[in-house]
Amino acid sequence: GAVVSQHPSWVICKSGTSVKIECRSLDFQATTMFWYRQFPKQSLMLMATSNEGSKATYEQGVEKDKFLINHASLTLSTLTVTSAHPEDSSFYICSASSGTQLGLFFGSGTQLSVL
Amino acid sequence: DQQVKQNSPSLSVQEGRISILNCDYTNSMFDYFLWYKKYPAEGPTFLISISSIKDKNEDGRFTVFLNKSAKHLSLHIVPSQPGDSAVYFCAARGGADGLTFGKGTHLIIQP
Repeated sequence: GAVVSQHPSWVICKSGTSVKIECRSLDFQATTMFWYRQFPKQSLMLMATSNEGSKATYEQGVEKDKFLINHASLTLSTLTVTSAHPEDSSFYICSASSGTQLGLFFGSGTQLSVL
Repeated sequence: DQQVKQNSPSLSVQEGRISILNCDYTNSMFDYFLWYKKYPAEGPTFLISISSIKDKNEDGRFTVFLNKSAKHLSLHIVPSQPGDSAVYFCAARGGADGLTFGKGTHLIIQP
């Protein structure tokens, strides 16, 4: 099946620093990528939808200046958490779609801990 | 307001028996439903899906049932195996939007 690679799998950073998370579709071209976050014992919450070559669409309540999403190619999307704070500590997951099986392929997730 | 609800945070089933995980939704615009399995600190793994035009889809030990009038779907796993122990998320899609997930049900298969 299709493979989506997400890196890093975990990261610890100091408050105020920025962290970049990469999501790559390894064997298909992802026209659309989605970014989710999950707090402990909570559901996966959609943060934003990005289409290759265009600006991401953010869900209500998600700060676009804080969570920068870049989808510059059909195989790579990045999420940058800028000026991270402890409340940003969460599990971030990307998913990639080729357009035929929407959102069916997920990355392995990134556990972010902000000290 | 939660559009996809999984009211049972956990479920314990004996190995070999049937596991039934339930999911309710409120948005009538959802046209596609999926079940995912997730282990701690890993991304979800797709299990099975169903289109809103169907009421049943079967794949090996996994069967998903959809009752549109009740806005309810369920995942049946039979027979349940120890490796099935995980958190199961119900997800729904409406149009071209990303998926909306329930909070998950932690399935525990007891030997």
